Amino acid sequence: GAGVSQTPSNKVTEKGKYVELRCDPISGHTALYWYRQSLGQGPEFLIYFQGTGAADDSGLPNDRFFAVRPEGSVSTLKIQRTERGDSAVYLCASSATGGISGNTIYFGEGSWLTVV
Amino acid sequence: AQTVTQSQPEMSVQEAETVTLSCTYDTSESDYYLFWYKQPPSRQMILVIRQEAYKQQNATENRFSVNFQKAAKSFSLKISDSQLGDAAMYFCAYSRGPGGSEKLVFGKGTKLTVNP
Repeated sequence: GAGVSQTPSNKVTEKGKYVELRCDPISGHTALYWYRQSLGQGPEFLIYFQGTGAADDSGLPNDRFFAVRPEGSVSTLKIQRTERGDSAVYLCASSATGGISGNTIYFGEGSWLTVV
Repeated sequence: AQTVTQSQPEMSVQEAETVTLSCTYDTSESDYYLFWYKQPPSRQMILVIRQEAYKQQNATENRFSVNFQKAAKSFSLKISDSQLGDAAMYFCAYSRGPGGSEKLVFGKGTKLTVNP
């Protein structure tokens, strides 16, 4: 596609529910990132995929958070037993190879999750 | 751990004037990358400018330029001839150099207002 696409744009869920957030990267981009941005803060790194594998998942806050990228394109961030503290904008980004080594990282517009 | 600090929560500038946004960072690495990102209300993070730490020359992109002081660990962004469209949140970010993790570490951001 023309850019990084994220769905849903906004999601309101009840505490304790399960949520999936989807990211469709730019076609052909092998690197994919998830970040979380809480109100009034900068984005915080969650996980980085190179192809189908998670190259760095050190930012996932706990085992309620999980992300997959089974075919090396679309990725899904999964949050189990949501808590009010999970409310944030979840940003996805992609780059042609590894963004820092040479290619620009392109961000989507994020999925705004509200847990009530 | 690497940290990025933006000490100006908000800044304002008159249209056509020049404004400088401050950023300091902490790292023990010698090779790394620094970035400024712009985030308008659409939430999409847009790369404004990047600087490789091994380059002594300050990066420039049209009206945007940086003042990179490696010894002082300072990386400020100068916006010349400010335009109404420059109004946004600006985030300073750091990443380790080649071979390191691809993740970005962001500051808390500076909200820039451009007055007509």
